[in-house]
Amino acid sequence: GENVEQHPSTLSVQEGDSAVIKCTYSDSASNYFPWYKQELGKRPQLIIDIRSNVGEKKDQRIAVTLNKTAKHFSLHITETQPEDSAVYFCAASEGPDAGGTSYGKLTFGQGTILTVHP
Amino acid sequence: EAGVAQSPRYKIIEKRQSVAFWCNPISGHATLYWYQQILGQGPKLLIQFQNNGVVDDSQLPKDRFSAERLKGVDSTLKIQPAKLEDSAVYLCASSLAGGDNEQFFGPGTRLTVL
Repeated sequence: GENVEQHPSTLSVQEGDSAVIKCTYSDSASNYFPWYKQELGKRPQLIIDIRSNVGEKKDQRIAVTLNKTAKHFSLHITETQPEDSAVYFCAASEGPDAGGTSYGKLTFGQGTILTVHP
Repeated sequence: EAGVAQSPRYKIIEKRQSVAFWCNPISGHATLYWYQQILGQGPKLLIQFQNNGVVDDSQLPKDRFSAERLKGVDSTLKIQPAKLEDSAVYLCASSLAGGDNEQFFGPGTRLTVL
């Protein structure tokens, strides 16, 4: 099955700095890579995602890059703000089965605790 | 639109007792997921339903966990009997369909097994 490794486990930055979180995956057939933000005691919420036919995607201060050859993808947050402080999870969706059906089974990374200091 | 609903929000039981969790997905979402999130870890998929059929339960400890989704809408997850290591947050999520559709998570049920 799929295995997703996420680094670093904790990340501390000053407000206004950039933050980068990296993930690697094992299944070369994986084709969908979402990133979730989870605040303390809250539900995970999707912040950005990327599909395997795209190398980079940007949404305001957040960007994600994907390197399919190396099987890794990264989250980039620029101009960080204290409200960006949370746990961030990457995930990879299992590729289609032998019949070509993709069920969207997600395997999550271990999470990165991001702290943005004012 | 209303989000994914779960109940109860918190549950404390003793080991060897039974417990059940309920989930109501977003209206019209065909796919429903149950995840287990142990403190300090990412969510782990336990079971995935497409309408009322199971498409993946490879990580469900079937000797003690069971789940059903009658009529393809609400779902229940049961643990019987509970063990100490079952202490976790149980998250329900739903999506329009499988594949690369966004999964929307519920608030979760925090289970403590004493």
